[in-house]
Amino acid sequence: KQEVTQIPAALSVPEGENLVLNCSFTDSAIYNLQWFRQDPGKGLTSLLLIQSSQREQTSGRLNASLDKSSGRSTLYIAASQPGDSATYLCAVPGGTNAGNNRKLIWGLGTSLAVNP
Amino acid sequence: EAQVTQNPRYLITVTGKKLTVTCSQNMNHEYMSWYRQDPGLGLRQIYYSMNVEVTDKGDVPEGYKVSRKEKRNFPLILESPSPNQTSLYFCASSTTSYSNQPQHFGDGTRLSIL
Repeated sequence: KQEVTQIPAALSVPEGENLVLNCSFTDSAIYNLQWFRQDPGKGLTSLLLIQSSQREQTSGRLNASLDKSSGRSTLYIAASQPGDSATYLCAVPGGTNAGNNRKLIWGLGTSLAVNP
Repeated sequence: EAQVTQNPRYLITVTGKKLTVTCSQNMNHEYMSWYRQDPGLGLRQIYYSMNVEVTDKGDVPEGYKVSRKEKRNFPLILESPSPNQTSLYFCASSTTSYSNQPQHFGDGTRLSIL
């Protein structure tokens, strides 16, 4: 059974710092891994999706890496800003039958606070 | 603009009073699903639909119903809501198969059942 873990659960950093969020998964047979951002009282915004054949994806100041063999992904945020404050979630497809192959298994998230 | 729209965004109601949360997507996606998010438990899938008239249970379907009469709409129905269904609900949509396209989520519906 696929399980997704995110460490740390919470992180507080000063503005401008580079930081890394971690995501680990127990079953390495994944098709992709997706990172999301959740703001308080708001929905889920997809940040990056990494296919199983890829090792990295970049979008602006965000860089996500994937190491399937070790069951790990990291989200690197460069030059953090107060506007980056949010909860970051990672998710992998985990449907147990072919009919539900888009079901996502989620970590509990890392709550990030970037202080001015 | 590609989007998933949920309504209402917030609802406070009482035990036993039937309610429906609507979900609509404009991306012609075949796959749609509902999740609930609870502290310490994360997001868990309630129901999913692979296409029109095709629905199936997720991990926590008890107390919920869904229907998929049209491709764009996937309403979540609580026939007799109870306090343990107080939660934040998300509707999602995507293409059917594994692909390089991300899943799209609505803004969420916060339900409080008193």
